[in-house]
Amino acid sequence: DAGITQSPRHKVTETGTPVTLRCHQTENHRYMYWYRQDPGHGLRLIHYSYGVKDTDKGEVSDGYSVSRSKTEDFLLTLESATSSQTSVYFCAIGRVETGELFFGEGSRLTVL
Amino acid sequence: QQPVQSPQAVILREGEDAVINCSSSKALYSVHWYRQKHGEAPVFLMILLKGGEQKGHEKISASFNEKKQQSSLYLTASQLSYSGTYFCGTGGPTGNQFYFGTGTSLTVIP
Repeated sequence: DAGITQSPRHKVTETGTPVTLRCHQTENHRYMYWYRQDPGHGLRLIHYSYGVKDTDKGEVSDGYSVSRSKTEDFLLTLESATSSQTSVYFCAIGRVETGELFFGEGSRLTVL
Repeated sequence: QQPVQSPQAVILREGEDAVINCSSSKALYSVHWYRQKHGEAPVFLMILLKGGEQKGHEKISASFNEKKQQSSLYLTASQLSYSGTYFCGTGGPTGNQFYFGTGTSLTVIP
């Protein structure tokens, strides 16, 4: 196992409420990623991090923010959740030298 | 920036072969392939770094044509365990960003 956990695994919330998803790794990898997965769209990159306090946007970053204050934790925040953000969110850690990404088990978010 | 995969879905009988294609409108710096079983996280299969490179993983192999910005995944003598959704992924120019294709659902039936 790559030592990556996501929490919560399941969450139901209402439109307009803030939501934070946490990704925790025990591998000390520099690179961490947040993806969302929706039918017909595959995996889409939201944000990624290449070090503590170093983050950058992906292809679907609107409505999302991230923070990384420690190597092991990468947080994804929806400031005001919308129904279009209902999705399965995957965190991944990356070994850039090999290109291999290890994914967490996913967090299923439902926004009512 | 998402690569495009084809076909979107394929159904095979055990022992048959399949090819999954991945193409990009932007330059490909690397191509990697993942398989995701239903309800699980994607799992890394292989990465191709050089144009024209081919790699193999059991009975699953892949090629990467850098000039055509395409990659293909070959599954030979398919087994029931091959069922799942296959994603190709491409690395960005700095190697930090990884973008995935839309996925190909593969179902192997007895």
